[in-house]
Amino acid sequence: QVQLQESGPGLVKPSETLSLTCAVSNHSIYNGFWGWIRLPPTKGLEWIATIHYSGKIFYNPSLQSRVTMSVDVSKNQFSLSLHSVTAADTAIYYCARLSASIDFWGQGTLVTVSS
Amino acid sequence: QSALTQPPSVSGSPGQSVTISCTGTSTDVDFHDRFSWYQVSPGTAPKVLIYKVSHRPSGVPDRFSGSKSGDTASLTISGLQAEDEADYYCSSYTFDSTLFGGGTKLTVL
Repeated sequence: QVQLQESGPGLVKPSETLSLTCAVSNHSIYNGFWGWIRLPPTKGLEWIATIHYSGKIFYNPSLQSRVTMSVDVSKNQFSLSLHSVTAADTAIYYCARLSASIDFWGQGTLVTVSS
Repeated sequence: QSALTQPPSVSGSPGQSVTISCTGTSTDVDFHDRFSWYQVSPGTAPKVLIYKVSHRPSGVPDRFSGSKSGDTASLTISGLQAEDEADYYCSSYTFDSTLFGGGTKLTVL
């Protein structure tokens, strides 16, 4: 069973950078596509970005200018950076594996943007 | 990105059936079969219920079924149970782009 675990600060100040890491267990990161999805309070799921181990990255056009994503195959993990955050970026952030569907998800980590 | 439209809420009594619709453009819904449905409950990771329009992952009860007609996909939950109360999202998905519907809150009366 693929397991994913998000880690990173739960509180980020406005205008700063939100940084999260997703550790993948029981599955090689060489196999598949990996992504970040968020769930803001009182809103719906929003896809952020998807990465392949080769470095190929696909971004949500609405976030592309502020998002950086990377993969570390030696650690079997991938990361997200969201720059210049505002309160609107407050959300539960999930990392996930994308195959025929988004079939494995992390438990999610709540990130609050506040001074 | 274009939009996938879901009803904000649906409700049903235990034992009844409910259907949640998801309407998009032909590009998002009609032209490919990478269409999925997810259940989101507070405090738990989202769970895939249906993939490729109508396929159920192992472990998902056959009370959940998916279908598609033209630019509208549907999730039907039969034999409603109290534990089905949750938010449900449709998704049109390719590796280079993933689109979610706005979500539908299912209330079991």
